[in-house]
Amino acid sequence: AQSVTQLDSQVPVFEEAPVELRCNYSSSVSVYLFWYVQYPNQGLQLLLKYLSGSTLVESINGFEAEFNKSQTSFHLRKPSVHISDTAEYFCAVSESSSNTGKLIFGQGTTLQVKP
Amino acid sequence: KAGVTQTPRYLIKTRGQQVTLSCSPISGHRSVSWYQQTPGQGLQFLFEYFSETQRNKGNFPGRFSGRQFSNSRSEMNVSTLELGDSALYLCASSLAGMGSGELFFGEGSRLTVL
Repeated sequence: AQSVTQLDSQVPVFEEAPVELRCNYSSSVSVYLFWYVQYPNQGLQLLLKYLSGSTLVESINGFEAEFNKSQTSFHLRKPSVHISDTAEYFCAVSESSSNTGKLIFGQGTTLQVKP
Repeated sequence: KAGVTQTPRYLIKTRGQQVTLSCSPISGHRSVSWYQQTPGQGLQFLFEYFSETQRNKGNFPGRFSGRQFSNSRSEMNVSTLELGDSALYLCASSLAGMGSGELFFGEGSRLTVL
């Protein structure tokens, strides 16, 4: 079985400051890793994913995450945040050998960007 | 290309009633998964359907059920509603499950049980 721990429930940060949202996972099998973002009253949108290959993955809007197998982590970072980044962020895993739509999510981190 | 569509968006029921939620996946997607989102438990996997067959199931009581039609549209049903069933129910579709690397989520159906 897998589990995901997001270490911070809320992260307040000023606009243009850097931010890191932490995610650790536990799994006895190989996994895929994801970050999803949820804006108020909306569904989830995929931000970025790690399936294989380079351990550093990037999104089109400036976020990046690094897969660290030894530390079982997949932290999300952005060097300079905008007000529009205010949202809830979810880290998730799925078994890489299992071709199903089952994701295990962390509890979420609310990113609050202040002007 | 239209996204995942869920109906209804909002609904209010009373304890003991039943509810049916509908999900239309992105055209061409054959996998539909359902998730429950609550403030206390977060996002929890309910079940997944692929080609009209339940392929995976989460840890929910039998009151929660679902089905998928030949056009890949899916419905989920909750019978004998309880207060704790109040939640945002999210549907997600993908071409063939996680092998494609991404789930596309709808905006959800918000159920309130009084």
